[in-house]
Amino acid sequence: DTEVTQTPKHLVMGMTNKKSLKCEQHMGHRAMYWYKQKAKKPPELMFVYSYEKLSINESVPSRFSPECPNSSLLNLHLHALQPEDSALYLCASSQDGTAGQETQYFGPGTRLLVL
Amino acid sequence: SQKIEQNSEALNIQEGKTATLTCNYTNYSPAYLQWYRQDPGRGPVFLLLIRENEKEKRKERLKVTFDTTLKQSLFHITASQPADSATYLCALLYNQGGKLIFGQGTELSVKP
Repeated sequence: DTEVTQTPKHLVMGMTNKKSLKCEQHMGHRAMYWYKQKAKKPPELMFVYSYEKLSINESVPSRFSPECPNSSLLNLHLHALQPEDSALYLCASSQDGTAGQETQYFGPGTRLLVL
Repeated sequence: SQKIEQNSEALNIQEGKTATLTCNYTNYSPAYLQWYRQDPGRGPVFLLLIRENEKEKRKERLKVTFDTTLKQSLFHITASQPADSATYLCALLYNQGGKLIFGQGTELSVKP
């Protein structure tokens, strides 16, 4: 199974809402990632978890809060978002995030719209 | 600062021709370079990885070259098909912590 799943596929939320994005993989990977992608732009890294510990935070605003409950699951908690946060949020996983030749497997993404 | 540039935002070619996409980078010496394909509204899908000591890598109709002197990678799709229409992204690993940096992508359109 080489699939990364993400739920929900679409999410509309107001600026005062709290919501969560979920990501799951069963490939035994120990590194998981959150990316943000705006239209016609490349994915931009937000967070990296390696062995369930946060290893990279790309200076992401605190209204985005990642969580890695176990090696298969990755969440992104959203609170008090701004309209400019509307984007496609991609989750990815790789073997363990330490080898430069690793391939990253991406999920289909969650399309987020903040009103 | 490190920079990755893909030379075209869009490339239109006729079915059966070879598509050639370019990825240039500056201020960086990556050990590996990767190419991904992304369809609209979907996540990127890994295609090929090439190491700095490899000049060329092939997979079916795909070929990637890596010139560390020119700081450039070329991505070729031979005998292109309309199903090859997608955005193609090159990516470099910034450090060994898994930080992939993507080029802005080239949107390839193959017309029948």
